[in-house]
Amino acid sequence: RKEVEQDPGPFNVPEGATVAFNCTYSNSASQSFFWYRQDCRKEPKLLMSVYSSGNEDGRFTAQLNRASQYISLLIRDSKLSDSATYLCVVNPRYKLIFGSGTRLLVRP
Amino acid sequence: EAGVAQSPRYKIIEKRQSVAFWCNPISGHATLYWYQQILGQGPKLLIQFQNNGVVDDSQLPKDRFSAERLKGVDSTLKIQPAKLEDSAVYLCASSFGLAEDNEQFFGPGTRLTVL
Repeated sequence: RKEVEQDPGPFNVPEGATVAFNCTYSNSASQSFFWYRQDCRKEPKLLMSVYSSGNEDGRFTAQLNRASQYISLLIRDSKLSDSATYLCVVNPRYKLIFGSGTRLLVRP
Repeated sequence: EAGVAQSPRYKIIEKRQSVAFWCNPISGHATLYWYQQILGQGPKLLIQFQNNGVVDDSQLPKDRFSAERLKGVDSTLKIQPAKLEDSAVYLCASSFGLAEDNEQFFGPGTRLTVL
């Protein structure tokens, strides 16, 4: 079983749509959680951290369920520029464990 | 602020040859990471340095891969001899420290093709 599992997609949505990605992780000792964004042939960049209470950054909302070991990312009012791969990341101890990513395509 | 620098950006070699990658982290960042990203997968940590000491190299194939960070700044990653399955993007990242909320900043990567 992979340490971090994500649906690879692609999710193909129209502009303005709301889309949600989920991931599960296996290491219950994980302490911190993140979503990274990776554009095609570019390096990953931090999108947002994920907190137990849930957190929002503009159109993006992240949720963490420690009991179910489940992380989610919600994107509202999708833009063409949101097209990218979204990587779910957990940090069990001083290192990042990446999922394989979920690809999002936003069409006009 | 300058980001993480890596060179070369692209490298094509034949199997059994050797190759080396270079990384210069963000100034003042004590922690440096090397990741391997195979097409369609997320980055996988190969080795992590804190200053010039190794924190974690549990996933580094030590029979062919080596890395060093002699002066606690720049780092090199070497593969000798390369195999076909080493074809990947090698990403270097750095962070201010080891704390879990320290953001990791990635360089543009070196795309390696082994023929």
